[in-house]
Amino acid sequence: DSGVTQTPKHLITATGQRVTLRCSPRSGDLSVYWYQQSLDQGLQFLIQYYNGEERAKGNILERFSAQQFPDLHSELNLSSLELGDSALYFCASSARGTGGRETQYFGPGTRLLVL
Amino acid sequence: QQQVKQSPQSLIVQKGGISIINCAYENTAFDYFPWYQQFPGKGPALLIAIRPDVSEKKEGRFTISFNKSAKQFSLHIMDSQPGDSATYFCAAIPPSNTGNQFYFGTGTSLTVIP
Repeated sequence: DSGVTQTPKHLITATGQRVTLRCSPRSGDLSVYWYQQSLDQGLQFLIQYYNGEERAKGNILERFSAQQFPDLHSELNLSSLELGDSALYFCASSARGTGGRETQYFGPGTRLLVL
Repeated sequence: QQQVKQSPQSLIVQKGGISIINCAYENTAFDYFPWYQQFPGKGPALLIAIRPDVSEKKEGRFTISFNKSAKQFSLHIMDSQPGDSATYFCAAIPPSNTGNQFYFGTGTSLTVIP
């Protein structure tokens, strides 16, 4: 158990809908990262937050947005969902937010299925 | 454009054999290269990592070899065990606080046969 929690575990929704994925980092970790993992695209970095502020941005679509709250939990909002958004979404956390050069602890993921 | 190219896509090795997974990167600004291990139904977990000023790093049965001039690095798993069966991802990380994203390889599914 990494100490990172993600909810929900599974999500089934329809095209055009909006969903919110939630992540709670390990106790004491200030940085949160979001990733998308799909069969055709592999593991893709979406966005990183450190202590409430955006620190690094990856291939995050404009239909997607994220934020980190004062209690350090983070939410990833996916809107106008398309079939191609079906994937496993991982959240990870780290202590200092120095990008990938410190150990990131991954949550169990949220499996999103868009029908 | 794939910033990090990983091969092979899948690998089958006999127990006790050596598993070798290769990655190549494009951007010379990357300065940290971790490998992650992912078991089915789980998130990736950091396995081992290397900086480009070092040509080799070893941790137990896992070794990273790094060739800066060729912009290539590889993971060697010595004495491979069935418990090593997992998907392995390499990654390339830019300097911290640059606001730049980091890149993962496409993954290698390793199966170690007893």
